[in-house]
Amino acid sequence: AQSVSQHNHHVILSEAASLELGCNYSYGGTVNLFWYVQYPGQHLQLLLKYFSGDPLVKGIKGFEAEFIKSKFSFNLRKPSVQWSDTAEYFCAVVSGGGADGLTFGKGTHLIIQP
Amino acid sequence: DAGITQSPRYKITETGRQVTLMCHQTWSHSYMFWYRQDLGHGLRLIYYSAAADITDKGEVPDGYVVSRSKTENFPLTLESATRSQTSVYFCASSRYGGELFFGEGSRLTVL
Repeated sequence: AQSVSQHNHHVILSEAASLELGCNYSYGGTVNLFWYVQYPGQHLQLLLKYFSGDPLVKGIKGFEAEFIKSKFSFNLRKPSVQWSDTAEYFCAVVSGGGADGLTFGKGTHLIIQP
Repeated sequence: DAGITQSPRYKITETGRQVTLMCHQTWSHSYMFWYRQDLGHGLRLIYYSAAADITDKGEVPDGYVVSRSKTENFPLTLESATRSQTSVYFCASSRYGGELFFGEGSRLTVL
């Protein structure tokens, strides 16, 4: 079975700081990778996704992620965070056709201090 | 474009009662999923469905029942609710597998 590991469960940053959230997955074959964001009291929304091609993926709100196959990693980055980035961030992986859903990491709770 | 809607959004029930959480999507997506979200566990898959009348167990199916008689609906039933089923439940759909589109969630409290 696949597993997803998010190394940081809680991250606190000041506004304008740079962000990097770690994500590693266990499956060795072809995968599709996702980062979802959940703002307080809301549902999960897609930030970005990687299916194939350029391993550096750009998403919404200035976020990007880099797929490094040799390291089984898909880290999320943002050069300068804002207070509105306070949220829960989930990394997820799917292999094959994805009919049995995504496997999610346990999430990283990000707090941005003004 | 209504997308995917869940009801009820909030529910309080008692141990032993039956509860059904509804999920309806307007995209005609083939795949539908039920996840539960708990602190420290992230999202865990309860059940999923690849099409009408096809359902399968996920990671944590015990105590839950699903059905899918129509493509657009995927209700989740707790046959006899327990306190450990207090959680936030998210329904999601996908056209082809892969990227998921989530509903707003149903917060269930079992007393």
